[in-house]
Amino acid sequence: SQKIEQNSEALNIQEGKTATLTCNYTNYSPAYLQWYRQDPGRGPVFLLLIRENEKEKRKERLKVTFDTTLKQSLFHITASQPADSATYLCALDENYGQNFVFGPGTRLSVLP
Amino acid sequence: SQTIHQWPATLVQPVGSPLSLECTVEGTSNPNLYWYRQAAGRGLQLLFYSVGIGQISSEVPQNLSASRPQDRQFILSSKKLLLSDSGFYLCAWSEGTPGNEQFFGPGTRLTVL
Repeated sequence: SQKIEQNSEALNIQEGKTATLTCNYTNYSPAYLQWYRQDPGRGPVFLLLIRENEKEKRKERLKVTFDTTLKQSLFHITASQPADSATYLCALDENYGQNFVFGPGTRLSVLP
Repeated sequence: SQTIHQWPATLVQPVGSPLSLECTVEGTSNPNLYWYRQAAGRGLQLLFYSVGIGQISSEVPQNLSASRPQDRQFILSSKKLLLSDSGFYLCAWSEGTPGNEQFFGPGTRLTVL
């Protein structure tokens, strides 16, 4: 099964800077890769999906890239704000997209 | 619009007691349903998923079982809880189309003493 690593357990950045989070996987390249945000004590909330044939996806201040050669996805938050502080999870599909495997998450803290 | 309900929000149970957590979805038909567990400071572990009534797939061997008696109802059960069953249990649903986003419920915090 897939082994998923997310760059660091915690990441601190200054407000206004760009946050870059990494998701690496070891086995087969997934057909779909998703990013979620999770606040303490809450369920994850979907942010973006990128397909294997897509290099990049954007949504407002968010950008996701997908490199199947490197087996890596990067998640960027530009002009970061303290409200962006949360844990961010990447998820890769299994069983032809019927279910997903989640990474351990990166806890992002945006400092004012 | 669609909503997902989970209850209870918190639960404290002694070792060896039974468990029943319920999840219901409104506003959609024939959803895929999922049960996850999240240990403190850890990622999400998929426990069970279901693509239809009575169809349950288990991802890991464990002390838990799941059932889907109705299209939009998903139940997580145990006959005898273990200390290691403590965690944050999340139910989620998605449309049946592959790759669709999952919508998560508010979760149940289970503590087994």
